[in-house]
Amino acid sequence: GAGVSQTPSNKVTEKGKYVELRCDPISGHTALYWYRQSLGQGPEFLIYFQGTGAADDSGLPNDRFFAVRPEGSVSTLKIQRTERGDSAVYLCASSPLVGGAPGANVLTFGAGSRLTVL
Amino acid sequence: LAKTTQPISMDSYEGQEVNITCSHNNIATNDYITWYQQFPSQGPRFIIQGYKTKVTNEVASLFIPADRKSSTLSLPRVSLSDTAVYYCLVGDSRSYNTDKLIFGTGTRLQVFP
Repeated sequence: GAGVSQTPSNKVTEKGKYVELRCDPISGHTALYWYRQSLGQGPEFLIYFQGTGAADDSGLPNDRFFAVRPEGSVSTLKIQRTERGDSAVYLCASSPLVGGAPGANVLTFGAGSRLTVL
Repeated sequence: LAKTTQPISMDSYEGQEVNITCSHNNIATNDYITWYQQFPSQGPRFIIQGYKTKVTNEVASLFIPADRKSSTLSLPRVSLSDTAVYYCLVGDSRSYNTDKLIFGTGTRLQVFP
């Protein structure tokens, strides 16, 4: 597609429920990133994919969070046993460049999925 | 990890030039510098990227001194629609994953009429 698409745009769930957030990157983009953003804060890095594999998942806060990208395109962020502290906007970004000069990747972001855990 | 420091907020008026400076004292030789803009309820959007000296595009200019320990984003003649949060990012060649990009807290620019 023309841009990065994220669904759902809004998700309200109850504490303890399971949630999936989907990201459709720009076609052909090899790199895919997930970030989490709380109100008034900058985006917090969660995980980064090169193709199908997670190249860096050091930002995932705990084992309730998991992400997949089985065919190297669409990615799903999965959150188990949601907690109120998981409430945030989850941003996905994609980039065509992998392994270039440090910081040279230019990211295109989606509009985000706003998760509210009651 | 290469760390960046920016002012938390800035105010300006329509038509003025705005300069936002980012400090990155421990930037490494190969690291690039990139700026993003974020409006409420949207994801960040790429503005400009540079490695050294000056880069200019249709939106902004980026000034990088010779020591590269800081960079300045310059927005000419701002309008109300430039009200947003601006993030400075620096690559980290010391990290095993040079594609990992870390955002700071950004600079909240408020433009008044």
